[in-house]
Amino acid sequence: DQQVKQNSPSLSVQEGRISILNCDYTNSMFDYFLWYKKYPAEGPTFLISISSIKDKNEDGRFTVFLNKSAKHLSLHIVPSQPGDSAVYFCAATTNTGNQFYFGTGTSLTVIP
Amino acid sequence: DTGVSQNPRHKITKRGQNVTFRCDPISEHNRLYWYRQTLGQGPEFLTYFQNEAQLEKSRLLSDRFSAERPKGSFSTLEIQRTEQGDSAMYLCASSLGGTANQPQHFGDGTRLSIL
Repeated sequence: DQQVKQNSPSLSVQEGRISILNCDYTNSMFDYFLWYKKYPAEGPTFLISISSIKDKNEDGRFTVFLNKSAKHLSLHIVPSQPGDSAVYFCAATTNTGNQFYFGTGTSLTVIP
Repeated sequence: DTGVSQNPRHKITKRGQNVTFRCDPISEHNRLYWYRQTLGQGPEFLTYFQNEAQLEKSRLLSDRFSAERPKGSFSTLEIQRTEQGDSAMYLCASSLGGTANQPQHFGDGTRLSIL
């Protein structure tokens, strides 16, 4: 069963606007969440993470929000740039870090 | 470059053959993970090593699959008697131990194609 879900396979956004990517999870034991970006023919690249003790984490243009009660997290990219066009994966793990669970990805296209 | 290195990048083989992939993690990382990714899906966990100990295995890892990390550095993933369904991208990732809240860093993967 899919414990991490990304329900939007694709998203298109104008350059300079905000991109919002969403992720839902089912396992209440998850306490560390990550976003990865993936370009074709490359492995996923770590972007930003958040621990369950926080509800927001920022790194430059990227902000991740965590709503534990709704089991939902989102990634905001502001402003969006054409170089942000990639597939974004949400991932989660428990406090052991022994196994990471990934969503199916959202393909973001930033239109110049 | 001191990132995660995977070899080969591509492997084409006939059904029934055995294949072996290698992963060299970032040198100070004691955690190593193997994943499989198929088209339209996210990476699916296969197995996890802490140093040389294999601590977690997915039920996806059938008895045709075996992974080793003999000296706690590089790792190998072997698939015996390959089947069509084994065609996928095989990804390796490593992370720093000590605490669980550490991001994984991925290699560029080995793409396996079964003829």
